[in-house]
Amino acid sequence: GAVVSQHPSRVICKSGTSVKIECRSLDFQATTMFWYRQFPKQSLMLMATSNEGSKATYEQGVEKDKFLINHASLTLSTLTVTSAHPEDSSFYICSARGRGLHLTDTQYFGPGTRLTVL
Amino acid sequence: GENVEQHPSTLSVQEGDSAVIKCTYSDSASNYFPWYKQELGKGPQLIIDIRSNVGEKKDQRIAVTLNKTAKHFSLHITETQPEDSAVYFCAASNNQGGKLIFGQGTELSVKP
Repeated sequence: GAVVSQHPSRVICKSGTSVKIECRSLDFQATTMFWYRQFPKQSLMLMATSNEGSKATYEQGVEKDKFLINHASLTLSTLTVTSAHPEDSSFYICSARGRGLHLTDTQYFGPGTRLTVL
Repeated sequence: GENVEQHPSTLSVQEGDSAVIKCTYSDSASNYFPWYKQELGKGPQLIIDIRSNVGEKKDQRIAVTLNKTAKHFSLHITETQPEDSAVYFCAASNNQGGKLIFGQGTELSVKP
């Protein structure tokens, strides 16, 4: 149980284009989803927290107009990187916690999406 | 806000030896401490967690200890195997909003 999937696993795009990453909880209802960014050899940096049906809460320094988050259902959250630039190239990881799990505060992570902006 | 410090940044052990990774946290309100294992190119995988109402938890070769007074917690891996090689992250949360604050990570290498 507690499986989180992400799609795509890797994406290469041109500078100026937008990229959408999907995060799904497969066997539980995700009341809260989190989006992280991770640069090589570094720790995970929280970008935003999203609760189902409400607007995402962004961490300080994260541009909400550039990183659009939609948590439209209890099993799906999307992150759209708008007008991507090479400096947005990174490993993006989502996590989820919620109902249907033995302990609701545990976060389960997806496999990550490698974004490369040319 | 919460700050989590993790040591060491790299750790190399011989197969069969034990490995210990230590973390300290700053927010006394933190009450949940998970440990994640991350293999190259993959997402973090929860390996064990502990809540503030217990001092120790064990799951086969993995154990975690928590000292609330000193605000530190540790991961212990016994009888290490080459497949234990990965980056390990500690984290802390006070359950307000569920945000996890991560340590810097420890790259564990188990040599056969």
